[in-house]
Amino acid sequence: KAGVTQTPRYLIKTRGQQVTLSCSPISGHRSVSWYQQTPGQGLQFLFEYFSETQRNKGNFPGRFSGRQFSNSRSEMNVSTLELGDSALYLCASSPGQSYNSPLHFGNGTRLTVT
Amino acid sequence: AQSVTQPDIHITVSEGASLELRCNYSYGATPYLFWYVQSPGQGLQLLLKYFSGDTLVQGIKGFEAEFKRSQSSFNLRKPSVHWSDAAEYFCAVGAGAAGNKLTFGGGTRVLVKP
Repeated sequence: KAGVTQTPRYLIKTRGQQVTLSCSPISGHRSVSWYQQTPGQGLQFLFEYFSETQRNKGNFPGRFSGRQFSNSRSEMNVSTLELGDSALYLCASSPGQSYNSPLHFGNGTRLTVT
Repeated sequence: AQSVTQPDIHITVSEGASLELRCNYSYGATPYLFWYVQSPGQGLQLLLKYFSGDTLVQGIKGFEAEFKRSQSSFNLRKPSVHWSDAAEYFCAVGAGAAGNKLTFGGGTRVLVKP
């Protein structure tokens, strides 16, 4: 079974631009979560989608948004990029919404904002 | 709100020696507890999890962890470390009724000396 696929692996953007990151979950997984990983703040939860609906949201500004499609693929968008948005963005998928269904992480998208 | 503390930022251990990584959590009820490992350039891989029952849980790669409610701890152990265990280890807690929203500790980077 293919794992969680995140594209692209690396991105370089300029401050003020916007960016879209993509995540393809493991086949059959309906929950997709996004996390931001930085050296200073560590791993922080962004949001979770289940069956195309946002179920949980972390403490991030409205510039961070996401969506999930009917095939469970998910995208996250960051508008008006700031230098502090430079991070590794990790996507994780899970069969369900319970903690009994462990998260499977992708290898991440490394975003650099200059 | 729940929180997770990993007191050790770095640990250096000799190959073949035992390893123990500390994790303390803060949460009012019985939490869902996880240990993940991250190798350079990779996503996170689940090592083990605790939901209820036996407080000593076995995971993959020879790791085990013990849940101690009285100490609010969930320490990870391995009797004999291999060079391939060099990585960053994250303790996480999941709390609340549903969802896949994890709160992660700051991580412990493990270096293995030959």
